[in-house]
Amino acid sequence: EDQVTQSPEALRLQEGESSSLNCSYTVSGLRGLFWYRQDPGKGPEFLFTLYSAGEEKEKERLKATLTKKESFLHITAPKPEDSATYLCAVQPRSEAQKVTFGTGTKLQVIP
Amino acid sequence: DSGVTQTPKHLITATGQRVTLRCSPRSGDLSVYWYQQSLDQGLQFLIHYYNGEERAKGNILERFSAQQFPDLHSELNLSSLELGDSALYFCASSVSGQPNTQYFGPGTRLTVL
Repeated sequence: EDQVTQSPEALRLQEGESSSLNCSYTVSGLRGLFWYRQDPGKGPEFLFTLYSAGEEKEKERLKATLTKKESFLHITAPKPEDSATYLCAVQPRSEAQKVTFGTGTKLQVIP
Repeated sequence: DSGVTQTPKHLITATGQRVTLRCSPRSGDLSVYWYQQSLDQGLQFLIHYYNGEERAKGNILERFSAQQFPDLHSELNLSSLELGDSALYFCASSVSGQPNTQYFGPGTRLTVL
């Protein structure tokens, strides 16, 4: 069974204090790994898809990286508007429709 | 705004009842995915439809069923409701049959009393 574990569960940062969120996964053949952002009471918002180890994607203050066992979401000089829950999900090769999500990291950025 | 609409936003009902949740995908998207999000379990994949056909089932209970209509909107039917079915239900859409980039709706919050 595919598993996704995200750490930490919650993270509190001062504005401008860079950090990383971790997503460890177990999947029988990775087709894709996704990062989403979810604001309270809203649906997840797509951020990135990574397909192979060594791949990196960037968007504003966010950078996602992928290894064979984990993915990191690096947040550089975060702002209060980056406060949200960040979700990681994996798509297996064998059953490509069945995306498994982690429970997320709740990020709070304090001004 | 993702372009995916879900109705109703909130639903309060009693145990044993049946409800229908509705989802309209983004214009041009052929795939609809349904997810359940509860506090302790995160997002759980329920079922996927592509252009009217069921493509994959996840952890969907037998009491739950779904369908996608010719105009591509989808409905999730939940019957014999239990307290544990209280959750946020999201639908997501994508252009292709792959969940590479999913656009999520705002969700329906179901409360079973």
